[in-house]
Amino acid sequence: NAGVTQTPKFQVLKTGQSMTLQCAQDMNHEYMSWYRQDPGMGLRLIHYSVGAGITDQGEVPNGYNVSRSTTEDFPLRLLSAAPSQTSVYFCASSYSTRTSGEAGDTQYFGPGTRLTVL
Amino acid sequence: AQKITQTQPGMFVQEKEAVTLDCTYDTSDPSYGLFWYKQPSSGEMIFLIYQGSYDQQNATEGRYSLNFQKARKSANLVISASQLGDSAMYFCAMRERGTYKYIFGTGTRLKVLA
Repeated sequence: NAGVTQTPKFQVLKTGQSMTLQCAQDMNHEYMSWYRQDPGMGLRLIHYSVGAGITDQGEVPNGYNVSRSTTEDFPLRLLSAAPSQTSVYFCASSYSTRTSGEAGDTQYFGPGTRLTVL
Repeated sequence: AQKITQTQPGMFVQEKEAVTLDCTYDTSDPSYGLFWYKQPSSGEMIFLIYQGSYDQQNATEGRYSLNFQKARKSANLVISASQLGDSAMYFCAMRERGTYKYIFGTGTRLKVLA
């Protein structure tokens, strides 16, 4: 049971390049999400998914695309990288999407991807 | 709109003492969950403790307890008998029943002194 895995751990891009950050979980979780973490700003939600084939925008979706073709995988695509996208990116998953106020809501995080855009 | 506020950017505590990290939240939804995460210098996010809005008792997990005051909309994390390994960033987070979105506070950096 690997939990939530993310690849790569580090990435350097040039402005305008595109790339995909990979995220996978083996816990059969319905809910998956992507966050970015910038200094002094906590974690901000980029996109999330409540199940295969269903995605929605979070707080800061511009410049990012997602898709969810399987329960296990939730890749994040940077369409045309910009220096403002330099950040640490976290993927997370949780079991329950239908209820709140229950421990099943607890999100478990991947190790993160540190992205630098020059 | 839901909001999480952590007003202490940094805290110091002596080893073996207790420390309270503050978290207040704002929501109009009667059903929600509150979470605390620890982020050590290595960068991973570690789940610590959960409190549901309908839970009658404060949550506890080992040395961690959550001081839940619903009327005041506060969910403070209490760490008892602090250890050097507790030095880290701590984030408070919330999820409302009505959305699938979690929101996080800006975090508190805790330093435990020997």
